[in-house]
Formats: sequence, structure tokens, C-alpha cells
Amino acid sequence: EAQVTQNPRYLITVTGKKLTVTCSQNMNHEYMSWYRQDPGLGLRQIYYSMNVEVTDKGDVPEGYKVSRKEKRNFPLILESPSPNQTSLYFCASSKLAPNVNEQFFGPGTRLTVL
Amino acid sequence: AQTVTQSQPEMSVQEAETVTLSCTYDTSESNYYLFWYKQPPSRQMILVIRQEAYKQQNATENRFSVNFQKAAKSFSLKISDSQLGDTAMYFCAFMKQGLVFGKGTKLTVNP
Repeated sequence: EAQVTQNPRYLITVTGKKLTVTCSQNMNHEYMSWYRQDPGLGLRQIYYSMNVEVTDKGDVPEGYKVSRKEKRNFPLILESPSPNQTSLYFCASSKLAPNVNEQFFGPGTRLTVL
Repeated sequence: AQTVTQSQPEMSVQEAETVTLSCTYDTSESNYYLFWYKQPPSRQMILVIRQEAYKQQNATENRFSVNFQKAAKSFSLKISDSQLGDTAMYFCAFMKQGLVFGKGTKLTVNP
């Protein structure tokens, strides 16, 4: 089954404790992206990647890191989480011309930073 | 910068009726793509319909259709014969290097 998976689905952590949210897709997509969703703000792009070893900032990259060492994986790293990073996070992927292709979304990761 | 505005935070409709969700956007680009996504209570993001700006014909997917007015930068979603399963948040989105989303419209379909 073609899908985007994220782990963990739910995470409660404390301020400053490094964490990684994994994202993996099995569709051989070149393009991958991370979004965060906050009430009243919709979804906002954090980082995206056009291919292996190619990443770039989205609209709200502060406090986040990403890496793309393999085509199928695009982990999101919070090196020192803060309460304002409490949010619902989505990973998405698509074929390389994202303009024309549907982005497939993962199920979301609910993160709470205390 | 591209922005997407959804002016209706919440809407409700009776089952089997028709409802229209509004969306406007701002861009200086001439060729682009627009999308409507549905987010039910499960939180999954589901593509409802997409429109390519260079196509004048409005996109249609079963009960879902759009009214795309390029000059007015308007991209509304019409849901015909509303069903209880249509209850969800609906997001309008513009494609840049990634998706730029509006803040969403919460649609409730009442029996």
C-alpha cells in the first residue's frame, strides 16, 4: 500500500530534550515536506526537500532541522524543543514536480512540549 | 508573498443541500496550482480537488466542483448533495515550493 508513515504518532516531552520525528514514504517520491498545524493558523511549511541531500527552509523553520540522507526518509529534528513547538506535525511527499502533483500526507504527529 | 484567505471560519448545511466555501489568494505568478483539502476528525489530510491556473475549465470531482476566477483570484468550492461524511475542516491551498494553506473552514453537515 502506498503510504507516508510518521512515528511517533503522539509524543509528550519536556523543554530542551532533543527529539526526532521520523517520516518515511514508499512511493519513490523525490519531494518531501514538513508542515505544522496550529488552531486558527492552518498548516505552515517548516522545511522541504527536492531530493536526497537537498533541503530548504519553508515559512517557519526556526527551531527545526531536517536531513535527507535517503530518498524514502525525511526526519524532523527538534534539538531543544520549546512549548511554542507544541503542535500537530504532518509529513508529505510527492513526485518531483510538486506544482502538478498531489502531495500525500502522513497521519500526523501530535507533539506536546511541557 | 503568496497568501490564501478563507473568510468563513465556520459553516453549516443541511444534509442533501449545496454549500459553497470561499477562498481568495494573492500571487504575482501566472501559472500555478490550487487545491482544496479536507481534514475530517481523524486529522488525515485528504485531497478533494485541484485546479491548474492555465486551464479555464473549472475542475469537478463527483459532488465537488470549483468556481475558479483567475482575474479575481478566487477559488471557491461547491459541495452538492451534502452528506454527513462531508463534515470536516476544509483548507484551500496554493502551491509554491510547498503548499500555502488558508486558515480553514469548519463545515458541519446537519441531518
